[in-house]
Amino acid sequence: NAGVTQTPKFRVLKTGQSMTLLCAQDMNHEYMYWYRQDPGMGLRLIHYSVGEGTTAKGEVPDGYNVSRLKKQNFLLGLESAAPSQTSVYFCASVRDRDNYGYTFGSGTRLTVV
Amino acid sequence: RKEVEQDPGPFNVPEGATVAFNCTYSNSASQSFFWYRQDCRKEPKLLMSVYSSGNEDGRFTAQLNRASQYISLLIRDSKLSDSATYLCVVKVMDSNYQLIWGAGTKLIIKP
Repeated sequence: NAGVTQTPKFRVLKTGQSMTLLCAQDMNHEYMYWYRQDPGMGLRLIHYSVGEGTTAKGEVPDGYNVSRLKKQNFLLGLESAAPSQTSVYFCASVRDRDNYGYTFGSGTRLTVV
Repeated sequence: RKEVEQDPGPFNVPEGATVAFNCTYSNSASQSFFWYRQDCRKEPKLLMSVYSSGNEDGRFTAQLNRASQYISLLIRDSKLSDSATYLCVVKVMDSNYQLIWGAGTKLIIKP
């Protein structure tokens, strides 16, 4: 049972390049989330999904897009990367909204130069 | 003002000692409270939920004070393996039921 798998683990992008981060979970969880974590700040929610085919904006959605075409996968896209998007990105999933034990992926360290 | 505030630390504590840290939250509609643990360069993991009456899990005790809007975490007989960053997390009762995360308190246990 792999839990939540994020790919890639590390990436360096040039300003203006695009990329997609993949999050895959094998626990049949309904809810999935993308967070970013920056020094001195708590995790901030970028986008989330409450089920297959649904997405919604979180606290800091600008510059990112997401898709959840399959229940097990939640993709985060950066269309035109900016240095301000340098961060550690975590994906998380949870069975439903009344369950509090979020399972996180191991993170993606993204640097935009 | 941040919605969830924590002392960033680090707290440097000798092995075997007791250490406690607090977290304050600003939204009075906060519904549920948690402590997560995050090891260096790793993902957060749920340590324990915090119940209104306070709760204990082994060496860890969590307390909630709704009147003063803070929660606390007490670690007794600290181990080297307790070295980590402890994240305070609050769930606010709104339509999205999202979690609000503190920036964390770093704890270093020294031999």
